[in-house]
Amino acid sequence: SQKIEQNSEALNIQEGKTATLTCNYTNYSPAYLQWYRQDPGRGPVFLLLIRENEKEKRKERLKVTFDTTLKQSLFHITASQPADSATYLCALAGNAGNMLTFGGGTRLMVKP
Amino acid sequence: DVKVTQSSRYLVKRTGEKVFLECVQDMDHENMFWYRQDPGLGLRLIYFSYDVKMKEKGDIPEGYSVSREKKERFSLILESASTNQTSMYLCASSLPPPGQGGSPLHFGNGTRLTVT
Repeated sequence: SQKIEQNSEALNIQEGKTATLTCNYTNYSPAYLQWYRQDPGRGPVFLLLIRENEKEKRKERLKVTFDTTLKQSLFHITASQPADSATYLCALAGNAGNMLTFGGGTRLMVKP
Repeated sequence: DVKVTQSSRYLVKRTGEKVFLECVQDMDHENMFWYRQDPGLGLRLIYFSYDVKMKEKGDIPEGYSVSREKKERFSLILESASTNQTSMYLCASSLPPPGQGGSPLHFGNGTRLTVT
């Protein structure tokens, strides 16, 4: 069966360190993968998209990698700040016409 | 900036009531979606719509229906609310269907529905 797995345990890191979140999937051949941020009581907010033919994408302190062989995406936040504390969701779609399916999200806590 | 507005942040309804959740977007997006979000289960797609008066079932449509009479408005209807429909409901909109272009979803801030 199809699965998208994110670490359900919270990730606690110290301010200034790099946070790395993982998104693993099985039985998908995604055309692209997206990452979202969700704050408590709010809807998810889009952060980055990476396509199947891209290895890496960057946006300011954010970096996403996409390994279709390992069936994994890594989401990095460098020089993390307490304001980065939130839940991060990955979402992926298969070939044209498929809807986005979301992982369960990983909660990140950055301590000052 | 795209704005997706959900009419209520919190709702409390009784079992058996008919419940309407309203969603409006202001960016002329063709596509609109309803998800529910539950701890441990993530976001699950209930229904989506590519155009006015069009609707498609998502992964968990049972117990729900939708209405899209105008492009900017997408309503979720719980025909007879049950306690297992207690959840956070999230509406979203996008440009071309995600599977065809990777357009991001723009979410509202959700309606937390409690059915007692």
